[in-house]
Amino acid sequence: SAVISQKPSRDICQRGTSLTIQCQVDSQVTMMFWYRQQPGQSLTLIATANQGSEATYESGFVIDKFPISRPNLTFSTLTVSNMSPEDSSIYLCSVPTSGRAITDTQYFGPGTRLTVL
Amino acid sequence: AQSVAQPEDQVNVAEGNPLTVKCTYSVSGNPYLFWYVQYPNRGLQFLLKYITGDNLVKGSYGFEAEFNKSQTSFHLKKPSALVSDSALYFCAVEGGSTLGRLYFGRGTQLTVWP
Repeated sequence: SAVISQKPSRDICQRGTSLTIQCQVDSQVTMMFWYRQQPGQSLTLIATANQGSEATYESGFVIDKFPISRPNLTFSTLTVSNMSPEDSSIYLCSVPTSGRAITDTQYFGPGTRLTVL
Repeated sequence: AQSVAQPEDQVNVAEGNPLTVKCTYSVSGNPYLFWYVQYPNRGLQFLLKYITGDNLVKGSYGFEAEFNKSQTSFHLKKPSALVSDSALYFCAVEGGSTLGRLYFGRGTQLTVWP
């Protein structure tokens, strides 16, 4: 299984500011996913980040609000821009075992707990 | 469209008793089903998955899940619960146009009391 780390583990931010979350994987992976888990809610996919191409965003999420970078096969960042209290969530990155099979297992990072005041 | 339902927000069980956490699914195509567990202040940990084959899938920490195609269910089970099993459990199904994308249920909080 992949070992995934995220920074920061948690943060408290002021309304209107931005926060960049980092996701580092110990092996090269083609695909990385960013999920959001709002308080008491399930996980919702924000976007898929593939190296060398623009991220693909799910309905309800836009690049201006959640810009994503994927500079290489082991690293990605998600920025939460112009934050409001509604952005308070846990943000998780995940990677599939190989990225080549629909039967892959997804492994998740420990998450970044964001609180916006 | 892929979707997962976890009908119980909370399951309470005494230590040593069997536990079941329910999950039903709706998919177009073959169902690829997963269970994850989330401990407080931790990320999601993979427990088990069903892809094909034997309907009874065994996973980590003594958990197993039974795939039932006719009832479109994938219930998580454990013969003897431990207090340390107390956590939030998510059922998920893979599918849609994005390879690897998971659709999650809303989660079931399992509490095992001594």
